[in-house]
Amino acid sequence: GAGVSQSPSNKVTEKGKDVELRCDPISGHTALYWYRQRLGQGLEFLIYFQGNSAPDKSGLPSDRFSAERTGESVSTLTIQRTQQEDSAVYLCASSLSDRRSEKLFFGSGTQLSVL
Amino acid sequence: DAKTTQPPSMDCAEGRAANLPCNHSTISGNEYVYWYRQIHSQGPQYIIHGLKNNETNEMASLIITEDRKSSTLILPHATLRDTAVYYCIVRVAGGTSYGKLTFGQGTILTVHP
Repeated sequence: GAGVSQSPSNKVTEKGKDVELRCDPISGHTALYWYRQRLGQGLEFLIYFQGNSAPDKSGLPSDRFSAERTGESVSTLTIQRTQQEDSAVYLCASSLSDRRSEKLFFGSGTQLSVL
Repeated sequence: DAKTTQPPSMDCAEGRAANLPCNHSTISGNEYVYWYRQIHSQGPQYIIHGLKNNETNEMASLIITEDRKSSTLILPHATLRDTAVYYCIVRVAGGTSYGKLTFGQGTILTVHP
C-alpha cells in the first residue's frame, strides 16, 4: 500500500491478557518507530528499528512491552499481561534512512482499550 | 532538544491564511525546526521543516526569524480540513535521539466557515 498500515484499528481486551499490534511500513523505508498516545496527551516514543541494527528500546515503559521486526518489513508490538494504564492509541511510523531529515510517515494507529 | 512554546489554540476563517507561531529561544545552531499536524483520529502528518532559510512546499510555508528564536507556519488558504493540532518540534538532525520525536501539546487550529 501507499501508506503505513496498522492492524487492528481497534482492540478491546481484558486486564491480564496479551495483545499483539501489527505495523506494515511503507515499502523501502528502513526505519520504523512505535509511539504511544494516551487520551489528550502528546506522543511518547517507545522503540525504533533501523535496518539490521539493534533496536533502540529506550522508550519501552516496562518489560511487559516488546517489539520485533522482520527484516525491513512488518513489525509487531506485544504487550503482555495488559493493564488498564496501557489503554492508548499505539502509532507506528516509518521513514527513509536519510538521517538528515526526520520525515516520519505515521499510520492511523491502533486504539487499545483494556477493561 | 530545545524547548518550544506554542499558543494552545487559534481560530482562522476558511480561505484566509493561518499563521501559527512557535517560540524556540534556546535553539542551537544544528537544530532544525519541524512541523507536524494531527487531525482527529489520525496519526501525525509531516508538514515541513527548515534550518534557517524560509521553506515552502505544497502544504505550507515556514518562516524562521533571522536569530532563529521563533518561527511561523503559514497555511496560505486554510480549509475546514486543516482543523488539527499543529506541533512545532526542534531537533538535531541525525542525532543519537534520532526518531524520538517529542510532541508537546501543540496548537489546536480551528478553521471555521
